[in-house]
Amino acid sequence: AQRVTQPEKLLSVFKGAPVELKCNYSYSGSPELFWYVQYSRQRLQLLLRHISRESIKGFTADLNKGETSFHLKKPFAQEEDSAMYYCALSGREGGNKLVFGAGTILRVKS
Amino acid sequence: KAGVTQTPRYLIKTRGQQVTLSCSPISGHRSVSWYQQTPGQGLQFLFEYFSETQRNKGNFPGRFSGRQFSNSRSEMNVSTLELGDSALYLCASSLGERALQETQYFGPGTRLLVL
Repeated sequence: AQRVTQPEKLLSVFKGAPVELKCNYSYSGSPELFWYVQYSRQRLQLLLRHISRESIKGFTADLNKGETSFHLKKPFAQEEDSAMYYCALSGREGGNKLVFGAGTILRVKS
Repeated sequence: KAGVTQTPRYLIKTRGQQVTLSCSPISGHRSVSWYQQTPGQGLQFLFEYFSETQRNKGNFPGRFSGRQFSNSRSEMNVSTLELGDSALYLCASSLGERALQETQYFGPGTRLLVL
């Protein structure tokens, strides 16, 4: 079964501090992993996906197959990073089915 | 390009009624997925359509159904509404067949309240 676990409901950090949002997954094959973000009063939108190996808004995420993790990191948090972050997994059965984690609220304090 | 649009944005129904929600994907997108978002269960996949065919289905009862039209617009229907169906229903679209690596673009959602 596909499962995504985000252990923290809320992560509160000070501006300029490093951020790490945890994501662990359970999947028997090779998954595609994504981070989606929802800013206040905005739509859910893709932040980054592991296959692109890109950095968006200073965020990076590395797929660790040994630890089945896909943690989201940023070295220096900014106030505008405050949002709800969802980790999501897509399997290779085909199609667009995304399995989401419960989400982590990131609050960046000034 | 205009984003994904969903109508209506808000809806109030009573138990036992049925409801139809509509989603218009981004122009040129052929895949539409639906998700239910609740405080208790989070975001859960309902189903996905591509070229008018249902390609994937989540673990929801048969009261939840959907369809896609030739212009890629999609509707989902919930019959015999229950209180637990109160949720935000999100629609997402993406370009085409190799959807696993494609970005999904989400609509604003339809908030359904069942009384």
